Formats: sequence, structure tokens, C-alpha cells
Amino acid sequence: GNSVTQMEGPVTLSEEAFLTINCTYTATGYPSLFWYVQYPGEGLQLLLKATKADDKGSNKGFEATYRKETTSFHLEKGSVQVSDSAVYFCALSDHSGYALNFGKGTSLLVTP
Amino acid sequence: EPEVTQTPSHQVTQMGQEVILRCVPISNHLYFYWYRQILGQKVEFLVSFYNNEISEKSEIFDDQFSVERPDGSNFTLKIRSTKLEDSAMYFCASRIDPNYGYTFGSGTRLTVV
Repeated sequence: GNSVTQMEGPVTLSEEAFLTINCTYTATGYPSLFWYVQYPGEGLQLLLKATKADDKGSNKGFEATYRKETTSFHLEKGSVQVSDSAVYFCALSDHSGYALNFGKGTSLLVTP
Repeated sequence: EPEVTQTPSHQVTQMGQEVILRCVPISNHLYFYWYRQILGQKVEFLVSFYNNEISEKSEIFDDQFSVERPDGSNFTLKIRSTKLEDSAMYFCASRIDPNYGYTFGSGTRLTVV
């Protein structure tokens, strides 16, 4: 079945540091891939997505590239801010079911 | 910006009791979902609902669970006889079409004691 594996958190970075959160997946066919973010006390918000191999999703300085050869969708940001502190979830959706398969989430804390 | 609203934000219930979690999806959305996250574990799909019926459900969504859209605005998840292992954060989500992204609510934390 489909599954998503994310790196374990929490991740603590200083402001302006480079961020990578690893995500790998297992799926049949060609799923769509997503990153969701949850800020404290809020719901899950779509951060970015990619629907086919080699697509790059980007939003708010975050980027992730759909790599079919390595079955990965790592999240990166060149310079994090304190306001980026949140929990980040990698997810996939195959086109038959539309339900999302989530990873466990990675908590990010950015300190001034 | 339109929101999905969930109430209550936190509910404590005794084991064996019935609980109803409430959600108000975005008004023009047609597809509705419940997900849950047990502490420290993955966010898991429970059920999807479209056109007044369940369109897909996971193995977790057994006979103890039911969903309902009792009027034009609410979407509820009922757990008939809660167990300790039902303690989790429950997320409601909606979208206008399967090709569009989900909008999630902020969740209801259910604690079964």
C-alpha cells in the first residue's frame, strides 16, 4: 500500500539557517505529493504540491521537487524565519482514492 | 478567507459514551472528510462523504463510527461507544472538487478517560 516516511523531529534551527526535511514515499503508479504545515492552534494548510515527476512545488520560499527515481519529495528553504516554526507534514494522494496518506509530521522550531 | 470550523476544540468523554464532533465546511464545497491523528502517530484518513453518502472509508472507520450532514451546513462524526484508543486529534476537511486542495479545520482533540 501507499506510505510516506518523514524524518523524525523535532528540528531546531537558528534564524536564517538552511532547512531540509526529508520525505520518501512508497506508492503504486504516479501519486501526487504534498507538503502541509500546521501552525500552533491552527488547521493543516497546504504549503506546496507536485503532481508529476520532476515537478517543483514552491511557496513562501519553500521548495520541493518530485523525484521519482529516489521516491522522494524533500522540503527545503534557504533561510528560515522564526515564523516558520510549525509542524510539517508530507503527504501523497493516488488518483484512484483521493484520500491523503500522511507522514508523521516533523516539528520545526526556529530560534532568533 | 473561508474557513472550516470545528467544535469543540477539546472534548473529554468517559469510555463507553457517545460523542459527536462537529464541523462546518466551507459553504460551496461538495466533498467532506474526516481524518484523525493519534498523538505521536500519522494523520490517518477515516472517511470521505459526497452527495449525502460515504464515498470511501478506511479500515479504522468501523461500525462504531458514523457521519452525517444533518442540514446544509454541518458535517458530523459520531463515535457510538468511545474507547481509550479513540483519543486523538480529529480533523475535518472539505473541498469543492477532488482536483482542488483540501481546506482543513483546526481540529478537535478528543480525550477518552
